[in-house]
Amino acid sequence: GNSVTQMEGPVTLSEEAFLTINCTYTATGYPSLFWYVQYPGEGLQLLLKATKADDKGSNKGFEATYRKETTSFHLEKGSVQVSDSAVYFCALIALRQGAQKLVFGQGTRLTINP
Amino acid sequence: GAGVSQSPSNKVTEKGKDVELRCDPISGHTALYWYRQSLGQGLEFLIYFQGNSAPDKSGLPSDRFSAERTGGSVSTLTIQRTQQEDSAVYLCASSSGGLAGAYEQYFGPGTRLTVT
Repeated sequence: GNSVTQMEGPVTLSEEAFLTINCTYTATGYPSLFWYVQYPGEGLQLLLKATKADDKGSNKGFEATYRKETTSFHLEKGSVQVSDSAVYFCALIALRQGAQKLVFGQGTRLTINP
Repeated sequence: GAGVSQSPSNKVTEKGKDVELRCDPISGHTALYWYRQSLGQGLEFLIYFQGNSAPDKSGLPSDRFSAERTGGSVSTLTIQRTQQEDSAVYLCASSSGGLAGAYEQYFGPGTRLTVT
């Protein structure tokens, strides 16, 4: 079946540090890939997405590239801020299999210290 | 515009009682999803509605769980004879559904259910 594995947390960084959160997936067919973010006390928000191989999703300084050869979708940001502290979820949808449900990784809690 | 709304935001119930959780999707969205977020299991899919098609119930954990969607809009998730392991945050999401690029799911704030 489809699954997502992401870097275990928690991750603690200093402000302006470089961030990478690893995400790899297993899926048959051609999944679409997503990063969702959950800020403290708030709901899940879509951060970025990519729908085919070599696509790069980007938003709010975050980027992730869909790598079919390594089945990965790592999240990166060049200089993190305290406001980036949140839980980040990698997810996929395998649309061509007819399955509309999101399959999530376990989430990575990120804390940025000033 | 208005996003996905859910009610109640918090629900505390006694073991064995029934509960109903409500979701109002974004207006015009034909697809509606329920997920559950718990410490032990992470984020799990429960059920998916698309238009007038039969729902995908493959994620419902037991027959104590059911959901309906009236008039293609509002949805209610019902848990009968609640158990302590049902304690979780129940999330609803909606999407335009079915069209290229229209599968992004937008989430509501969730209902935190605590079974005592």
